[in-house]
Amino acid sequence: EVQLVESGGGLVQPGGSLRLSCAASGFIFSNYDMNWVRQAPGKGLEWVSEVSGSGGTTYYADSVKGRFTISRDNSKNTLYLQMNSLRAEDTAVYFCATGPTNWGQGTLVTVSS
Amino acid sequence: DIVMTQIPLSSVVTLGQPASISCRSSQSLVHSDGTTYLSWLQQRPGQPPRLLIYKVSNRFSGVPDRFSGSGAGTDFTLKISRVEAEDVGVYYCTQTTQLPYTFGQGTKLEIK
Repeated sequence: EVQLVESGGGLVQPGGSLRLSCAASGFIFSNYDMNWVRQAPGKGLEWVSEVSGSGGTTYYADSVKGRFTISRDNSKNTLYLQMNSLRAEDTAVYFCATGPTNWGQGTLVTVSS
Repeated sequence: DIVMTQIPLSSVVTLGQPASISCRSSQSLVHSDGTTYLSWLQQRPGQPPRLLIYKVSNRFSGVPDRFSGSGAGTDFTLKISRVEAEDVGVYYCTQTTQLPYTFGQGTKLEIK
């Protein structure tokens, strides 16, 4: 059974940093591109970033480009999202996902003073 | 970016009656490999999204056959043949043909 478990969310001040993790199991992790998708409170879904299976190629939404960094450790079956220079508008539940197919439960990031 | 537009944004349906959601993309979702990467997701209250339909019309594992998807090019439809109480939630179409991947605004389905 595919499992994706996010962690690392929390309350952070504007301008601060946070690193999210997503532990994957139940599939060959290195074979899959991985994504982060976020959902602001009461709002819809927004794609954030994607990393290729090897980790060598990354893509970002314009809203996070230059501030967020996606990475993965295939030896640990773990996906990461390093978030710097956080803003109030980054407040959201962050999901890791294998494309549209499998989703984690999400981790809440709140950016507030 | 490809804009995904869903209609309606809200729907109230009587138990056992059909429901239909339309999704239109601002450009063709046919990939250079010939595949149309249009999916439908269901998000129940307090839950993460769940894949229902992929590549326009393929039901994901475990999805009841009352859910069906159709369409081509830029116009797509999700149909529920007979709505059940557990179908309450928000439904999203999403395209993974072209980066950045984009989602429709969501359609909230309620039961009467």
